[in-house]
Amino acid sequence: DAGVIQSPRHEVTEMGQEVTLRCKPISGHDYLFWYRQTMMRGLELLIYFNNNVPIDDSGMPEDRFSAKMPNASFSTLKIQPSEPRDSAVYFCASSPSESYEQYFGPGTRLTVT
Amino acid sequence: GIQVEQSPPDLILQEGANSTLRCNFSDSVNNLQWFHQNPWGQLINLFYIPSGTKQNGRLSATTVATERYSLLYISSSQTTDSGVYFCAVDYRGSTLGRLYFGRGTQLTVWP
Repeated sequence: DAGVIQSPRHEVTEMGQEVTLRCKPISGHDYLFWYRQTMMRGLELLIYFNNNVPIDDSGMPEDRFSAKMPNASFSTLKIQPSEPRDSAVYFCASSPSESYEQYFGPGTRLTVT
Repeated sequence: GIQVEQSPPDLILQEGANSTLRCNFSDSVNNLQWFHQNPWGQLINLFYIPSGTKQNGRLSATTVATERYSLLYISSSQTTDSGVYFCAVDYRGSTLGRLYFGRGTQLTVWP
């Protein structure tokens, strides 16, 4: 298996622009997680899905952030409008319900200027 | 929520030395994972270990769930072991599948 796939790997954008991050989970995994990592706050869970349904979005910082999972093999995290404080590494992870062992993608490094 | 505390926060070793990293958690857990975040930022699964002991090469881990701690042992450390080691737990008071992370142990191995 190719593992969790994320795109783009790096994104540089200007404040106010829309940013879309993409994730393809490991085939057969029915949980998908979006995390954000910064030096100040460490690794934070933003939202997670089970069978394409959002289970807990309490970590989403504000209404500028939205996430969707239209099918079992694809999810997006959108920030609109982006702000400099959104600069971080965003990770996607997936896990199977048989074990709940999470596997992480390589991350997207977002820089908002 | 659950508290996950890792110690030490920083560790500096000479190549070839052994080390023990500790993870304490404040509530009963279903699962526990150890991850290594390498200097390039990748989060790599080391162990899935809700209880007992596992070994993988120079690394081994032990979780004593009844006493709410886990240990990660690194023997004969190499420069490639450098990075941050995270412990994460899926605790019984939360929804299944969600992991709670510690702040990590930053390990630096010098040649």
